[in-house]
Amino acid sequence: GAGVSQSPSNKVTEKGKDVELRCDPISGHTALYWYRQSLGQGLEFLIYFQGNSAPDKSGLPSDRFSAERTGGSVSTLTIQRTQQEDSAVYLCASSVTGEYYNEQFFGPGTRLTVL
Amino acid sequence: ILNVEQSPQSLHVQEGDSTNFTCSFPSSNFYALHWYRWETAKSPEALFVMTLNGDEKKKGRISATLNTKEGYSYLYIKGSQPEDSATYLCASPGGSYIPTFGRGTSLIVHP
Repeated sequence: GAGVSQSPSNKVTEKGKDVELRCDPISGHTALYWYRQSLGQGLEFLIYFQGNSAPDKSGLPSDRFSAERTGGSVSTLTIQRTQQEDSAVYLCASSVTGEYYNEQFFGPGTRLTVL
Repeated sequence: ILNVEQSPQSLHVQEGDSTNFTCSFPSSNFYALHWYRWETAKSPEALFVMTLNGDEKKKGRISATLNTKEGYSYLYIKGSQPEDSATYLCASPGGSYIPTFGRGTSLIVHP
């Protein structure tokens, strides 16, 4: 079956512009995660959606970052007024449920470059 | 947020060598330990999920062990091949079940 997909694969934007990153999780997966990896850093958790529960936004680095998940499926991560430090690879992952023993299935990522 | 550490940061080995690297995590309030392989230009791919102290998992030439009492897991690769070149990530979920990832061990296998 289809895996997790993300779009665009690459995004170059100018400082101060808004960007939207899209994630299509595996059908039927109730848990969805956003991470980012900045150069030389590990995977940094951003936000977690589980079913219809309120998302865990504890990893969002600033109020310029927001995300939504529509119909329990597709998710969009929005970064407003982008800054150069937002440049990173943004990864989306989904799992069957959010239980600790479930493996995560990752998308190919979106490489964001802010000039 | 948990403190999950991996060592070494990078590793160069020759084809045919066996190798291992370490993931350390807090032993208190342990839920699970995940290993992922992340090849360049691909998505991270799950290797193992381990939950019980003393767990050993194996997939082909790759195996992993878990010691929850002392807070570490080893990943072993027997007879490394160039296609094993990747970054190996470990992750441990905390009480919120959100995993904290280590920075990874970058393995390069030279033919």
